[in-house]
Amino acid sequence: DQQVKQNSPSLSVQEGRISILNCDYTNSMFDYFLWYKKYPAEGPTFLISISSIKDKNEDGRFTVFLNKSAKHLSLHIVPSQPGDSAVYFCAASAQGAQKLVFGQGTRLTINP
Amino acid sequence: NAGVTQTPKFRVLKTGQSMTLLCAQDMNHEYMYWYRQDPGMGLRLIHYSVGEGTTAKGEVPDGYNVSRLKKQNFLLGLESAAPSQTSVYFCASKQGATDTQYFGPGTRLTVL
Repeated sequence: DQQVKQNSPSLSVQEGRISILNCDYTNSMFDYFLWYKKYPAEGPTFLISISSIKDKNEDGRFTVFLNKSAKHLSLHIVPSQPGDSAVYFCAASAQGAQKLVFGQGTRLTINP
Repeated sequence: NAGVTQTPKFRVLKTGQSMTLLCAQDMNHEYMYWYRQDPGMGLRLIHYSVGEGTTAKGEVPDGYNVSRLKKQNFLLGLESAAPSQTSVYFCASKQGATDTQYFGPGTRLTVL
């Protein structure tokens, strides 16, 4: 049973526009959420996170929104740049849990 | 400061052969993890360790064994490789107090 789902395997966005990546979860015990970015032939790198006590967290061009009632989070990238082309994974954990649960990933392509 | 390193980067095995993947981290992290990444499946946790001398099963542990004899090293073993174990394997580590995992560059394993 997939507890964290990224229903869009791929997304294509024009350079300079907004990219919105979505993630849904089913486990109501999850209280910490992260986004990782992965380039080909490299390991995932941490991008941004959010705790369940917040509904928004910003870091430069990246903003993560959390809607706890809908069990949904999204990552906004504004403006999108060619270097943002990568696979993005969302992940979640429950307080005290030692593990992260990852979604399937979304491949983002930024077109010039 | 190398972070998380994985050895080897690539390996081809025949069905039934055995091998060990090595993960090393120089950040003095307590927690270490082994994941596999398959197309459309995201990152799935194989085994993890919360400290030297401890190991625990993750989501997909069958066919794998692990050992954490030293704090900085986490070994993943395949006793009798099967084609279903063809995958990219990632190691990660983290500090106990945060949920930010740092990933190695990955090992691409092919089992013929």
